[in-house]
Amino acid sequence: KNQVEQSPQSLIILEGKNCTLQCNYTVSPFSNLRWYKQDTGRGPVSLTIMTFSENTKSNGRYTATLDADTKQSSLHITASQLSDSASYICVVRSGGSYIPTFGRGTSLIVHP
Amino acid sequence: EAGVAQSPRYKIIEKRQSVAFWCNPISGHATLYWYQQILGQGPKLLIQFQNNGVVDDSQLPKDRFSAERLKGVDSTLKIQPAKLEDSAVYLCASSLGAGSIDPTGELFFGEGSRLTVL
Repeated sequence: KNQVEQSPQSLIILEGKNCTLQCNYTVSPFSNLRWYKQDTGRGPVSLTIMTFSENTKSNGRYTATLDADTKQSSLHITASQLSDSASYICVVRSGGSYIPTFGRGTSLIVHP
Repeated sequence: EAGVAQSPRYKIIEKRQSVAFWCNPISGHATLYWYQQILGQGPKLLIQFQNNGVVDDSQLPKDRFSAERLKGVDSTLKIQPAKLEDSAVYLCASSLGAGSIDPTGELFFGEGSRLTVL
């Protein structure tokens, strides 16, 4: 069964600090992996996409990594801001059915 | 470009009543999804449409939930009768297509419809 596991479930950090969110998956065959950001009361929005051949990709202060061998991805946030407070959801798309499998998300709270 | 539109944003009903949610996807998007998101959890797929056909409805509680996508554009999700555990945010998302038609598969979400069942 295709599964996506995220850790930690929740995280509290001080403004300006860095943090790393983890995503492990068992989806096979693999097509791509996306990190979505979901602000409170809003729908998720895509931050970045990782394909099989990509190891690292940056989008401003967000850097995603992918290890396709160990089926792990991480999202690193540098110099956190209050606006980074949100839920971050890892979504892996199957290469067969193309149906996306969602993780439960990591809730990040950035305190001033 | 207009995003995914959903209505109503909020709905409060008593158990055993019925409710309907409406979704208008991004123009030209063939695939439409309905997700249920319970507080503190990730979205759970209820049903996926490709044009006006159902791709996956394996997690839709068919005894009380129904969904349709007439003419392959707008979609309606109905709950009848509602239970307390149906309290959640119902997210509609759309994507360009499936498979090779849409290799990246980015989902575009609406703001969601928050349902409270008392």
